[in-house]
Order: sequence, then C-alpha cells, then structure tokens
Amino acid sequence: AQSVTQPDIHITVSEGASLELRCNYSYGATPYLFWYVQSPGQGLQLLLKYFSGDTLVQGIKGFEAEFKRSQSSFNLRKPSVHWSDAAEYFCAVEGGGAAGNKLTFGGGTRVLVKP
Amino acid sequence: GAVVSQHPSRVICKSGTSVKIECRSLDFQATTMFWYRQFPKQSLMLMATSNEGSKATYEQGVEKDKFLINHASLTLSTLTVTSAHPEDSSFYICSARDGGPANVLTFGAGSRLTVL
Repeated sequence: AQSVTQPDIHITVSEGASLELRCNYSYGATPYLFWYVQSPGQGLQLLLKYFSGDTLVQGIKGFEAEFKRSQSSFNLRKPSVHWSDAAEYFCAVEGGGAAGNKLTFGGGTRVLVKP
Repeated sequence: GAVVSQHPSRVICKSGTSVKIECRSLDFQATTMFWYRQFPKQSLMLMATSNEGSKATYEQGVEKDKFLINHASLTLSTLTVTSAHPEDSSFYICSARDGGPANVLTFGAGSRLTVL
C-alpha cells in the first residue's frame, strides 16, 4: 500500500528565510507525487507535481520540489518565504493498480512565518 | 483551469437530521469524484470514490449507509450524511479529475459540517 510521511508537524520560519518541507513516500513503482497547500478553512491548491522526467520540479508561488528515488523523498523548497506562505502543506502520492489512482496524503506540515 | 464547487460551505444541523453536500465540476465532466474527510489539524482521509452512473466505492471503515453518495451526472456528486451525530462534525472536501493527460485532481473549497 502506498503511504506518505511528513516528519515535521510544525515549522516556524522567519520571513525572507528559506523553507524546506520534508516528504517521504512508500510505493512499489514510480509514483505520481504532489504538493498541495491549504489555507485555514479552505480547500487544497496544487503547488506542483511530479510524474516523470526532470526530478527538479518548479511550481507556483516560487516553490520547487526535488524527487529523489534513492531516498524515496519529494521535499518542497522555497528560497525566500513570504508571510502569505503561512499555511498547511500536504504531500501526496498517487498510485495505480490496486490503489486505483487514489491520492494518499501525508499528515501535513503547518508553516508559521515570523515577521 | 478546472474548477470544483462545493455547496454549502458551512452547515449546522441538529443531531439526527440528514445533510446533503453537493460537489460540482463547473467546466469539465468528471466520471469520477472523490470525497475526503478532514478532522481539525489533521490530514485528509479518503472516504469514497464516486462513480457516475454506478455505486460509489467506499474505503475501509466508512459506513455506506451513513454516508450516501450519489453521482447522477457527469458534473454533480452529492454526499448525504444521514442521521448526523456530533462525531460526524468535520470538514468534507470533494475533488474531481479533469480528464486531461495531467491526471491532476482539482479540489473544492470544502464544506464544514457542525452537528449540534
């Protein structure tokens, strides 16, 4: 079965500082990987996705993520955080086969931005 | 881009009543929609896969008779929480897949259900 782990429940970062959110996945083949962001009381917005090809993926709002097969990781990064980046971030994996193209989410990482 | 609309965004009901939440794909047809549940400060848990014209597929542990799903058209899926109890209070989010090659799910804004 596919699974996603986000080791950090909370991260506090100063505005202007860099941000890295960790994501590790478990899946038998090459997965489809996603990062979503959720503001309080809102739905999810897709930041970026990885299907195949270049392992460094660029997304919206200045985010990027790198797929590392050897580490089963898909960490999200942003060089300089803005106060508006304070939100909950979810990593997700989608697999086919028995998983039926279902999206499995990690537990989420809440990002707090200090002025 | 693809847009998924959910209604209502917030609903408060009395214990024992039923509540219907609608999920619409506004500019695309969706043969499959997904319903998630999210408890406060927790992740999203897939409840069921809604299939147009056929029965929904429920995840293990989700009560089919409690959470009725109907996907009567290619743009509408409904989730009905029957005989709601306070423990059903949660944030319910639907998503739909635009049938393009990107295979990306679009999420609704969610519906917060509070059962008194």
